[in-house]
Amino acid sequence: KNQVEQSPQSLIILEGKNCTLQCNYTVSPFSNLRWYKQDTGRGPVSLTIMTFSENTKSNGRYTATLDADTKQSSLHITASQLSDSASYICVVSVENAGNMLTFGGGTRLMVKP
Amino acid sequence: DAGVIQSPRHEVTEMGQEVTLRCKPISGHNSLFWYRQTMMRGLELLIYFNNNVPIDDSGMPEDRFSAKMPNASFSTLKIQPSEPRDSAVYFCASSGTRAGELFFGEGSRLTVL
Repeated sequence: KNQVEQSPQSLIILEGKNCTLQCNYTVSPFSNLRWYKQDTGRGPVSLTIMTFSENTKSNGRYTATLDADTKQSSLHITASQLSDSASYICVVSVENAGNMLTFGGGTRLMVKP
Repeated sequence: DAGVIQSPRHEVTEMGQEVTLRCKPISGHNSLFWYRQTMMRGLELLIYFNNNVPIDDSGMPEDRFSAKMPNASFSTLKIQPSEPRDSAVYFCASSGTRAGELFFGEGSRLTVL
């Protein structure tokens, strides 16, 4: 069964600190993995996409990594800001399955001043 | 581009009433998705359309839910009769050719009393 597990479920950090969110998946065959950011009361927005051959990708203060062998991804946030407070959702796409996506449960991040 | 447009943003209704949620996808996108989000279950796929044709409706909870896409620029999700357990945020998302990237609307928050 295709599954995506995220940890931690929630996280509180102080402004300016770094943090790392984890995503483990059992989706097969793997096509790509995306991290979405969902602000409270808004729809999710894609932050980054990782394909099988990519190990790391950055988008500003966000850096995603992918280890296809262990089926793990992480999202690292550097020098956190109050605006980073949101839910971060890991979504894995199945290859050759049209638009079959498997969603993780998300990590709720709160950045405090 | 205005993005995915959903209406209404908020809906409060009484049990037994009919509810219709509306979605206008991004122009040129050929896939449209309806998701439901609750605190307990996260984001759940209800149904998705490809080129206006329903492809997978296995996530539709029961016969009280129905979705239509009469043309490429409009879709509806109808609940009849509504029940309190239907209370959730309903998201519409559309996708173009880039596998896995969904563009979400701002959601319709439904409360059934």
